[in-house]
Amino acid sequence: EADIYQTPRYLVIGTGKKITLECSQTMGHDKMYWYQQDPGMELHLIHYSYGVNSTEKGDLSSESTVSRIRTEHFPLTLESARPSHTSQYLCASSEYEESYTFGSGTRLTVV
Amino acid sequence: AQSVTQLGSHVSVSEGALVLLRCNYSSSVPPYLFWYVQYPNQGLQLLLKYTSAATLVKGINGFEAEFKKSETSFHLTKPSAHMSDAAEYFCAVSETGYQKVTFGTGTKLQVIP
Repeated sequence: EADIYQTPRYLVIGTGKKITLECSQTMGHDKMYWYQQDPGMELHLIHYSYGVNSTEKGDLSSESTVSRIRTEHFPLTLESARPSHTSQYLCASSEYEESYTFGSGTRLTVV
Repeated sequence: AQSVTQLGSHVSVSEGALVLLRCNYSSSVPPYLFWYVQYPNQGLQLLLKYTSAATLVKGINGFEAEFKKSETSFHLTKPSAHMSDAAEYFCAVSETGYQKVTFGTGTKLQVIP
């Protein structure tokens, strides 16, 4: 039974569209993260949050934005999608600086 | 700064053979170390973690890893591979108290019948 949920699982969208990738967790974790994953590459941290109303940019420059209005919800928004945004996006949460719980991911294709 | 190097992007083993996936880390302080597994079209799942207790760590599905400070290594092993072990494996490091995790580039394990 998944404790962290990502929707949609797959998304194909046209260039210039605005999209929001949803991520919700039921564990009450304060820390949440968004990673971008491309084949053969390390996972890149693009955003993270240590609690409500706290968001930070990660190590990889990203044109996306995030919000953290509720502990359980950490959506990621792309205002204007481009083909370079085609990737898999993974959401994760953690309680301390230890192990992460990951969602199943959203595979985004921008055409 | 912390970093992780996984040697071999692809590893093939025969069913029943030893699995050895290599990971070396760099960290300026005592690290936390992790192995995650990713099955196709899924997120990452924690296999095991080292957090400065026993140097030999046992995880799920019969996997284990040994922390060797002198070699800055944290290699993942399993005595006998099963077909269900075919997946991608990621090593990761977090510097104690740093709260962010750095992942390696992953190793795809193929199990040959």
